Amino acid sequence: GAGVSQSPSNKVTEKGKDVELRCDPISGHTALYWYRQSLGQGLEFLIYFQGNSAPDKSGLPSDRFSAERTGGSVSTLTIQRTQQEDSAVYLCASSSPNQAQYFGPGTRLTVT
Amino acid sequence: ELKVEQNPLFLSMQEGKNYTIYCNYSTTSDRLYWYRQDPGKSLESLFVLLSNGAVKQEGRLMASLDTKARLSTLHITAAVHDLSATYFCAVANYGGATNKLIFGTGTLLAVQP
Repeated sequence: GAGVSQSPSNKVTEKGKDVELRCDPISGHTALYWYRQSLGQGLEFLIYFQGNSAPDKSGLPSDRFSAERTGGSVSTLTIQRTQQEDSAVYLCASSSPNQAQYFGPGTRLTVT
Repeated sequence: ELKVEQNPLFLSMQEGKNYTIYCNYSTTSDRLYWYRQDPGKSLESLFVLLSNGAVKQEGRLMASLDTKARLSTLHITAAVHDLSATYFCAVANYGGATNKLIFGTGTLLAVQP
């Protein structure tokens, strides 16, 4: 079946602009996660959704980062007033309860 | 705070040789995962280890978990070039409201002919 999909695959933006990253999880997966991967920081957790609620937002690095999930399915990660240190690959994953997390292909964000 | 340490960071092996990657974590955890990442690609799930003493094998890879020692190993038998990739362990703590994964630093495996 279809895996986790993310769009766009690549995004180049100017410093100070806002960006939206989209994640479409595997159908039926109630849990959805955002991570980011960068050379300096490795793989970092950002936020976890169970259904439409986010019981763990502890990984969001600043209040410029926000995320929402609607209809228990698609999620959007928004970064406002992007900074160069936001450049990274943003990975979305989804899972069924107590199962492995399946990752999407990621969005490579470059802030110039 | 849960910390995950992986070693070695880089491993260059010859084809046909055996080696082990180690993953240590700092606090009690319910489960441990191994992932593979090829250059420019996303993470592929390899193993889910759910209990003390769990052992899983797939082809030339075997993963084990010792929850008392807070240690997991990924053993590579008779390496082949196709196994070249970065391997991550990740630990989850399901106690509480979060299911987040804490990842190790990754081990870059290069298998030389």
